[in-house]
Amino acid sequence: AQKVTQAQTEISVVEKEDVTLDCVYETRDTTYYLFWYKQPPSGELVFLIRRNSFDEQNEISGRYSWNFQKSTSSFNFTITASQVVDSAVYFCALSEAQRGAQKLVFGQGTRLTINP
Amino acid sequence: EADIYQTPRYLVIGTGKKITLECSQTMGHDKMYWYQQDPGMELHLIHYSYGVNSTEKGDLSSESTVSRIRTEHFPLTLESARPSHTSQYLCASSRPFQGAYTEAFFGQGTRLTVV
Repeated sequence: AQKVTQAQTEISVVEKEDVTLDCVYETRDTTYYLFWYKQPPSGELVFLIRRNSFDEQNEISGRYSWNFQKSTSSFNFTITASQVVDSAVYFCALSEAQRGAQKLVFGQGTRLTINP
Repeated sequence: EADIYQTPRYLVIGTGKKITLECSQTMGHDKMYWYQQDPGMELHLIHYSYGVNSTEKGDLSSESTVSRIRTEHFPLTLESARPSHTSQYLCASSRPFQGAYTEAFFGQGTRLTVV
């Protein structure tokens, strides 16, 4: 069975600090996809990044970066120079994409609070 | 920006009532999903659909039912609401699978409270 674990339930930092959200996953599939979503107070889930199991390249998008390591089954997310607008709940998710359907298994979520 | 809409956004209803949560998308996506998010934040898949006339149960058992008569519409129904159904319900759709590139777009959710 697939499982995603986000060890940090809540993180609180002061603005401009760097913060890393941890994500560890379990799957028996050789082909799978990893995602990070952001959930602001308005409630919708906003897609941030997708990574497939064959692509271990790290990625940087502005202040956001992701570190994917298959050897440790981890897909960590770092925000550099955090801002108050980054405050949200962040979810890591795993999908095996059966028949093209993206059935997501989510981690428990990490509530990130950036204080001014 | 995703074009997937859920109504109502908030619903407070009495025990035993029948309710339908609406979800529509204008992107022509064939795959659609319902997730339930409990107050502790965890999200679980309760229903999904590969396309018209296809409905499947997700990982979390749910007393709700779904239908998919039209591509763009994927409503969720509770025949008799109970306080244990109090939760946020999130609808999503995804693009046709093309190589490694696929992602799910989510609606804003319906926050249901059963009293």
